[in-house]
Amino acid sequence: DSGVTQTPKHLITATGQRVTLRCSPRSGDLSVYWYQQSLDQGLQFLIHYYNGEERAKGNILERFSAQQFPDLHSELNLSSLELGDSALYFCASSSRTGGGNTIYFGEGSWLTVV
Amino acid sequence: EDQVTQSPEALRLQEGESSSLNCSYTVSGLRGLFWYRQDPGKGPEFLFTLYSAGEEKEKERLKATLTKKESFLHITAPKPEDSATYLCAVQAWGETSGSRLTFGEGTQLTVNP
Repeated sequence: DSGVTQTPKHLITATGQRVTLRCSPRSGDLSVYWYQQSLDQGLQFLIHYYNGEERAKGNILERFSAQQFPDLHSELNLSSLELGDSALYFCASSSRTGGGNTIYFGEGSWLTVV
Repeated sequence: EDQVTQSPEALRLQEGESSSLNCSYTVSGLRGLFWYRQDPGKGPEFLFTLYSAGEEKEKERLKATLTKKESFLHITAPKPEDSATYLCAVQAWGETSGSRLTFGEGTQLTVNP
């Protein structure tokens, strides 16, 4: 158990809908990262927050947004969902934003868009 | 752009048959190279971080090494429970990089009893 908690574990929704994925980082960790893993692609970095502030953006679609709250939990909002958004979405956390820090992953949220 | 290439894509071993997985990387400035293990439908499980060429780390049957261009994950006398996908990732210096990890596609390891 990495200590990173993600909910829901599984989600099935229709095209055009909006969903919110939630992440609670490990106790004391200030950095939260979101990654997407689909069948035909490896782990793709989406976005990084540190202590409530956005630090880096990857290949995150404009239909997707994220935020980190004062209690350090984070949410990833996915809207106008398309079939191609079906994937495993991982949240990860680390204690700081500096280099070399260990990044721990949650168990992921399986999103299926039908 | 940071790039990570892992080989082979898939590897089948007999129990006890030692081998190595390769991770080649191109990065502007390496902060750290990470190895993770991922079981199907699960999140990546942290194994090692290597920071500089020449560094080595060991954990049970696994040993990771790092050069300036690649890293190896050596598996000694593997057991069936070592079957998983092994992921390599790099973390780079740079304002726009943040602390993101750039992952390779992974090596799917199967160890037969």
